[in-house]
Amino acid sequence: QSVLTQPPSVSGAPGQMVTISCTGSSFNIGSNYDVHWYLQLPGTAPKLLIYANTNRPSGVPDRFSGSKSGISASLAITGLQAEDEAYYYCQSFDSRMNRSVLGGGTKLTVL
Amino acid sequence: EVQLVESGGGLVKPGESLRLSCTASKFTVSDALMSWVRQTPGKALEWVGHIKSRDDGGEIDYAAPVRGRFSISRDVSENTLFLQMNSLKTEDSGVYYCTAKWLYCSSSGCYKGVDYWGQGTPVTVSS
Repeated sequence: QSVLTQPPSVSGAPGQMVTISCTGSSFNIGSNYDVHWYLQLPGTAPKLLIYANTNRPSGVPDRFSGSKSGISASLAITGLQAEDEAYYYCQSFDSRMNRSVLGGGTKLTVL
Repeated sequence: EVQLVESGGGLVKPGESLRLSCTASKFTVSDALMSWVRQTPGKALEWVGHIKSRDDGGEIDYAAPVRGRFSISRDVSENTLFLQMNSLKTEDSGVYYCTAKWLYCSSSGCYKGVDYWGQGTPVTVSS
């Protein structure tokens, strides 16, 4: 069981918007530790998608955005495209475990 | 650009050993928090262990399922991170990634604390 909870799956039609939630606790997200999001395409390593809650690395389309509030964070993807179909993971630091922790991952299906 | 290249994966029998390597470029392995993360087929990413940076004391920690069997080390002269895996079990099979928590720099400045990932190396433990 992951310290950060994500829905196992989400889906949406091309062009629509989806959001992926990441719920933690007072030991991680709620303690104001930054949240990062990673994208994993099939057969590849995870790649940084959003860092420090809301920032997009160079090359990441502005269709992807992150937010954080309280003990939760969210990743929003607008204008869904077929190539967005992948697994998405959130990450933060946990003070009780004294290390970075990952969410269980969410599989995005583009219908 | 930061790059991590893993090697050493393969097919071994239960009880055997394997040593994985992760060679880094564009930073020094002792300056970063380096971790091993594995992914079993169809499952989520699982933290295996980490070694903190020299400045943070170099503390090493392991996940409970591998503690006592796996060992993490680094060689600065080779700029390489290692994962020595002993007494391997079938449930240790998966793709092993090394990660480095390092700087991400953009036009708006640098942020220390994002994970860079290697391409992964597969480990199969089977009789």
